[in-house]
Amino acid sequence: ETGVTQTPRHLVMGMTNKKSLKCEQHLGHNAMYWYKQSAKKPLELMFVYSLEERVENNSVPSRFSPECPNSSHLFLHLHTLQPEDSALYLCASSQERSTEAFFGQGTRLTVV
Amino acid sequence: EDQVTQSPEALRLQEGESSSLNCSYTVSGLRGLFWYRQDPGKGPEFLFTLYSAGEEKEKERLKATLTKKESFLHITAPKPEDSATYLCAVQPLYNFNKFYFGSGTKLNVKP
Repeated sequence: ETGVTQTPRHLVMGMTNKKSLKCEQHLGHNAMYWYKQSAKKPLELMFVYSLEERVENNSVPSRFSPECPNSSHLFLHLHTLQPEDSALYLCASSQERSTEAFFGQGTRLTVV
Repeated sequence: EDQVTQSPEALRLQEGESSSLNCSYTVSGLRGLFWYRQDPGKGPEFLFTLYSAGEEKEKERLKATLTKKESFLHITAPKPEDSATYLCAVQPLYNFNKFYFGSGTKLNVKP
């Protein structure tokens, strides 16, 4: 595997479910990010982890809970989501926060 | 307020018809400006980073330029495989955690 890998690629969940998104980067980077991409809207930065420490949380509702167990893995735990949370969730990584980010293919999430 | 505006929203070109995409930005000190390409259902693919006014970068039929207020992505003699959404993002000097993205320009190149 190379680059940034996200699983699953597609996810349908009910509003009472609990699920997790997984991201793994094989680039040796030390910063990882979660973004939300909704139709017709710019990418929204959700969380930033640098050296496994959360350094940014952009007023994201508590029903989204990130976890970064090491510099190669990032999770986004989801619970009691709303239909408006349906979107493409993108993971990215970079070498230090000052350089360009490389993205995974995303998880298409649908909340029913 | 820091923000990024891309224009046009959508652009249709004939194969071989050169054009430019615009990214206007307002940011309190620019650390870097990034261009990405995004195909439907996929994550953005990194193209270029520009750091200072006057800088230019090229890759195949694409050329990115930067001024103090905007960036252009010039597409020379495009091919149908260049069809995609092109995203622009800026990173401010005061906070390396922040990346402000534009809404993108959806490019469609007809054969």
